[in-house]
Amino acid sequence: SQQGEEDPQALSIQEGENATMNCSYKTSINNLQWYRQNSGRGLVHLILIRSNEREKHSGRLRVTLDTSKKSSSLLITASRAADTASYFCATLGAGSYQLTFGKGTKLSVIP
Amino acid sequence: GAGVSQSPRYKVAKRGQDVALRCDPISGHVSLFWYQQALGQGPEFLTYFQNEAQLDKSGLPSDRFFAERPEGSVSTLKIQRTQQEDSAVYLCASSLAIPGSVNYGYTFGSGTRLTVV
Repeated sequence: SQQGEEDPQALSIQEGENATMNCSYKTSINNLQWYRQNSGRGLVHLILIRSNEREKHSGRLRVTLDTSKKSSSLLITASRAADTASYFCATLGAGSYQLTFGKGTKLSVIP
Repeated sequence: GAGVSQSPRYKVAKRGQDVALRCDPISGHVSLFWYQQALGQGPEFLTYFQNEAQLDKSGLPSDRFFAERPEGSVSTLKIQRTQQEDSAVYLCASSLAIPGSVNYGYTFGSGTRLTVV
């Protein structure tokens, strides 16, 4: 079963705009990770945020985590056409080996 | 190699046929995972190996699915008597550390797309 729920399911923006994707989950977590998947390819790890962290940055990526609301957001600033992909959040449950993925947000960046 | 390698890239099987999917993780990676991804969905966990030990196989959908990693490196996912509902992309991932122990994400292979006809 899939724990995470990404929102929106699909997002279309112009190049240069910011893209925000949200993720909600249900159980206690050790960490939350965001991955990108280009069509027909494997997943690429983007960023990991631990349960005791609230915000993390990596290049044009900014991730926030609110454990009280069991939610996270991924912000991509100054988007590029190459950012077009599906983005998944994945949670590692406390004491678990399973990284549980949501259904993903499909991002289209129009040049 | 530099990444996780999976073979074959594509596999078409007739219903009832047995298939074997191979995963070569990054050398030295302790953890190895198999995931199943249906079209338009996120990956679903199948099983987890820590070195050669299969510590979690709770995601395997039926006893037709079997995975092994006998020497703690290469892993094989075997599906017996394939059914149409087994059609999916099977992804392998590896990680240097035990899940949750450090701030490492997982490195995924490009997957094997299995089509059962």
